Amino acid sequence: AQRVTQPEKLLSVFKGAPVELKCNYSYSGSPELFWYVQYSRQRLQLLLRHISRESIKGFTADLNKGETSFHLKKPFAQEEDSAMYYCALSGGPSSGTYKYIFGTGTRLKVLA
Amino acid sequence: SAVISQKPSRDICQRGTSLTIQCQVDSQVTMMFWYRQQPGQSLTLIATANQGSEATYESGFVIDKFPISRPNLTFSTLTVSNMSPEDSSIYLCSVLTRSWNTEAFFGQGTRLTVV
Repeated sequence: AQRVTQPEKLLSVFKGAPVELKCNYSYSGSPELFWYVQYSRQRLQLLLRHISRESIKGFTADLNKGETSFHLKKPFAQEEDSAMYYCALSGGPSSGTYKYIFGTGTRLKVLA
Repeated sequence: SAVISQKPSRDICQRGTSLTIQCQVDSQVTMMFWYRQQPGQSLTLIATANQGSEATYESGFVIDKFPISRPNLTFSTLTVSNMSPEDSSIYLCSVLTRSWNTEAFFGQGTRLTVV
């Protein structure tokens, strides 16, 4: 079955502490993995994707095909990072399947 | 990128009635999708809106309940028909701008409450 699992509904960390949001997936093929973020009163937007291998707002995520994971990490959390984070996958152009499968989301709260 | 205008942003409706949600994009896009997000749950794909033809529905969603139109490359509507309280959700429009760019853009969402 195709699935994205985010085990934590809520993650609270103190400002300056490292943060890791977990994401595991199940997919037959080579999916594209994404992290989307939704700040308060804003629309869902792309944070980063595995194919670009870049760091956005200090966040990084490495695709581990052996463990089928795509965890999101940041070494020093900031209060403005407080938001809802969704891990998602897409079959992408190689599969011709562009629709997304989303995880249930993790709410990150960064405490002062 | 793409800027998506979704209307209405919220509504409270009586059971048994229907609501049509509009999604307008500021540029031509290759693909348009409709998602549902029930309270406390993830986004679930309802259907892919196909230009000039019938939408492609996901398992568990049917055209009679969620008729979708896409008359051109920038506009789509989703109707939630014969509503019941279980249809209370956030409904989201999403687009892909190019076939080679898999970044999805989202509307602000429509928060529907059925009473």
